[in-house]
Amino acid sequence: ETGVTQSPTHLIKTRGQQVTLRCSSQSGHNTVSWYQQALGQGPQFIFQYYREEENGRGNFPPRFSGLQFPNYSSELNVNALELDDSALYLCASSRGQGGLGNEKLFFGSGTQLSVL
Amino acid sequence: GESVGLHLPTLSVQEGDNSIINCAYSNSASDYFIWYKQESGKGPQFIIDIRSNMDKRQGQRVTVLLNKTVKHLSLQIAATQPGDSAVYFCAEVIQGAQKLVFGQGTRLTINP
Repeated sequence: ETGVTQSPTHLIKTRGQQVTLRCSSQSGHNTVSWYQQALGQGPQFIFQYYREEENGRGNFPPRFSGLQFPNYSSELNVNALELDDSALYLCASSRGQGGLGNEKLFFGSGTQLSVL
Repeated sequence: GESVGLHLPTLSVQEGDNSIINCAYSNSASDYFIWYKQESGKGPQFIIDIRSNMDKRQGQRVTVLLNKTVKHLSLQIAATQPGDSAVYFCAEVIQGAQKLVFGQGTRLTINP
């Protein structure tokens, strides 16, 4: 177990709704990244948060947004859900700022989101 | 598009045999590479990593080889066990970037 916890584990929404996913980072980790993993694919980077600010973003539209709190936990919000948003959403935490390679990334078990 | 890919989507080996999972990458600026194992219902689990200034790194029953000339990465698992059955992803990090770029994954099945 990595110590990264995500909630809920499963979620079903309908198209057009909004969803909030939550993540608690591993103790001592101050950076949180979110990834989207479609069925049969590798995870795709959504964005990273460090010191409560977005610190890098992948190729995702603005309706994907996030927050990081002073205790380093994080939320991923998705507005106006589309069918293609159905995926496993993974949170990962690490220490430090900036580029990976100095600190390892530890993943949670994810939230499986189904959009009907 | 994303640059990391895998040669084979599935691989079956006999328990006790060695397995080799391959990965190709295309970004010359990538300087850090990681292999992850993902079991059903779980997030990716770190296995082993390697920096671009190395060509080989060994862990417990696993070895990663990096060939920068042909932009190829491989994961060798020795004496495979049933618990090694999972999807294996390689991932690369472009120097200074905040994100991992994952390949599509290889499903490894261990036959008894």
